[in-house]
Amino acid sequence: DIVLTQSPDSLAVSLGERATINCKSSQSVFHKSNPQAFLAWYQQKAGQPPRVVISWASTRESGVPDRFSGSGSETDFTLTIDSLQAEDVAVYYCQQFFESPTTFGQGTRVEIK
Amino acid sequence: QIQLVQSESEVKPPGASVRVSCKTSGFVFTTYGVHWIRQAPGQGLEWMGWISAYTGRTDYARKFQGRVTWSADTPATTVYMDLRSLRSDDTAVYYCARGINTGRWHWFDPWGQGTLVTVSS
Repeated sequence: DIVLTQSPDSLAVSLGERATINCKSSQSVFHKSNPQAFLAWYQQKAGQPPRVVISWASTRESGVPDRFSGSGSETDFTLTIDSLQAEDVAVYYCQQFFESPTTFGQGTRVEIK
Repeated sequence: QIQLVQSESEVKPPGASVRVSCKTSGFVFTTYGVHWIRQAPGQGLEWMGWISAYTGRTDYARKFQGRVTWSADTPATTVYMDLRSLRSDDTAVYYCARGINTGRWHWFDPWGQGTLVTVSS
């Protein structure tokens, strides 16, 4: 199974500052014949189900503020939240959908400093 | 509006079985799969398996094979999860989620609200 390792486990960022979350895959999730990375990012606020914010490593989903961006390729990916807002406090998970079984990272908790 | 609405919380003794339902609406049921993901208290996300509403095909994560069954009621656009031989470490919130087929595997959008299953004597 593909193992996804997120770093850090938690981070505290001041309002208006940037938050950066990393996700490292144990093998490439980039498909050369369909040149995209099969990786998604989810946001889970307290007491709520997860919500996808980024698909295909860098495609922001409908309704997601443009301060959220994703990047990366092959095995190393990053979710960036520019100008952190109070409503961004949540746990963020990466997920690979390159192969079955799909797997998730362990999560990164983002808090306000 | 695409929605997945799950059944209410359950409390079950060890060794019992539980059924969780996931009522879908707002999309063509038979063109998607429905996945199940669980989250133990304070823990991360664990994919359990899925059912194709189109073919009825099911797939399971290895650790759940033999203990869980998915089924679908197409006219009711509802999917069911039956989990048997419950143990205390099955205590978790169980989510259903619509699978977005990418040609290889799925990402999930949207998710149900979750069903808390508590296993306790």
